[in-house]
Amino acid sequence: SQQGEEDPQALSIQEGENATMNCSYKTSINNLQWYRQNSGRGLVHLILIRSNEREKHSGRLRVTLDTSKKSSSLLITASRAADTASYFCATVNDMRFGAGTRLTVKP
Amino acid sequence: EADIYQTPRYLVIGTGKKITLECSQTMGHDKMYWYQQDPGMELHLIHYSYGVNSTEKGDLSSESTVSRIRTEHFPLTLESARPSHTSQYLCASSAWTGLNTEAFFGQGTRLTVV
Repeated sequence: SQQGEEDPQALSIQEGENATMNCSYKTSINNLQWYRQNSGRGLVHLILIRSNEREKHSGRLRVTLDTSKKSSSLLITASRAADTASYFCATVNDMRFGAGTRLTVKP
Repeated sequence: EADIYQTPRYLVIGTGKKITLECSQTMGHDKMYWYQQDPGMELHLIHYSYGVNSTEKGDLSSESTVSRIRTEHFPLTLESARPSHTSQYLCASSAWTGLNTEAFFGQGTRLTVV
């Protein structure tokens, strides 16, 4: 059964706009991670947020975590065409992913 | 640069054949995983391992088996390939504990069973 469930399934924006995607999980967590996948290749780790953190920044990425709602969000600011990819979340202790959010950034 | 390798990258094989997909990592990670993913679809966890001699089934009954005789090696075997096994298979590894628990993924094996 999938644990990380991403929403929306697909998102299309213009270059320069911000992209927000959400993730819900079912189990209790220690840490949660976001990954990116380009064109069906292997996933690449983006950012980890610990269960005692509420927000974390890394470059143009901002991640929030709400353990009471078992949800997380990933914000990509000032998006670029190169950000076009699928984005997935998973808890560290579970490593189960959903179908991801397919982000398309139009030049 | 991730030090996790999958071979072959692409494989076309006939129904009924036995195949082994290879996955090796040089990072000394204890945890390793196999996922199955159809294009644009969800990743399904099919097997994982906590370390040598540890193997666990995931969520998808893929009719495959795995072994973990060495830390660095986690091969996936299909005893009798069927067209329904056509998919991409992704291998990953991560540290068991500590601050750096990110998973590293291989480039995947795209399997076609004809």
